[in-house]
Amino acid sequence: AQKITQTQPGMFVQEKEAVTLDCTYDTSDQSYGLFWYKQPSSGEMIFLIYQGSYDEQNATEGRYSLNFQKARKSANLVISASQLGDSAMYFCAMREDETSYDKVIFGPGTSLSVIP
Amino acid sequence: DGGITQSPKYLFRKEGQNVTLSCEQNLNHDAMYWYRQDPGQGLRLIYYSQIVNDFQKGDIAEGYSVSREKKESFPLTVTSAQKNPTAFYLCASSIDRGRSEQFFGPGTRLTVL
Repeated sequence: AQKITQTQPGMFVQEKEAVTLDCTYDTSDQSYGLFWYKQPSSGEMIFLIYQGSYDEQNATEGRYSLNFQKARKSANLVISASQLGDSAMYFCAMREDETSYDKVIFGPGTSLSVIP
Repeated sequence: DGGITQSPKYLFRKEGQNVTLSCEQNLNHDAMYWYRQDPGQGLRLIYYSQIVNDFQKGDIAEGYSVSREKKESFPLTVTSAQKNPTAFYLCASSIDRGRSEQFFGPGTRLTVL
């Protein structure tokens, strides 16, 4: 069964606008962590933001914020004030059981294109 | 500068040959990982290692082998048993359990002719 679902294969956003990238996940663990990574065309994966399942507040890192809805099992990434350099693939990932670092599961990704 | 290095960036091999991809980190991280990425796809875990001299199979370990003789190094061998080895390979490491994110190398693009 698919553990991480990203339903938007491709997204377009106007420069300076905000965009939301969707991520839903499936786990029976109470303790887990959620990550978002950016992959530019160069191929390297860049960590953006982290949300723990017990974190009471939504995570924020600069222009990135995570809209975490635990009951709905969704962890959407919000990018504010989009820039041309934000054009890339974006991956949602999950580590089940925050006390384990053995396995991280990645979603299929969303391709974001920022239009000038 | 601390980070993860992978070499080479591009690698070409003939079908039937084994090939070893290098991954080195100077971040003093305990855990290291190998992922495979096919065009337009997400990352799939091949192998991971939590400590020296110990490693576990990921979701697609068949046709691959690894070793972890030093904390800094986690080489991946793509054997001739791997049916479709042409892909982009990413190595990653993380400091510890829990909240820590994975740090990734620049990747190796392997093409088998």
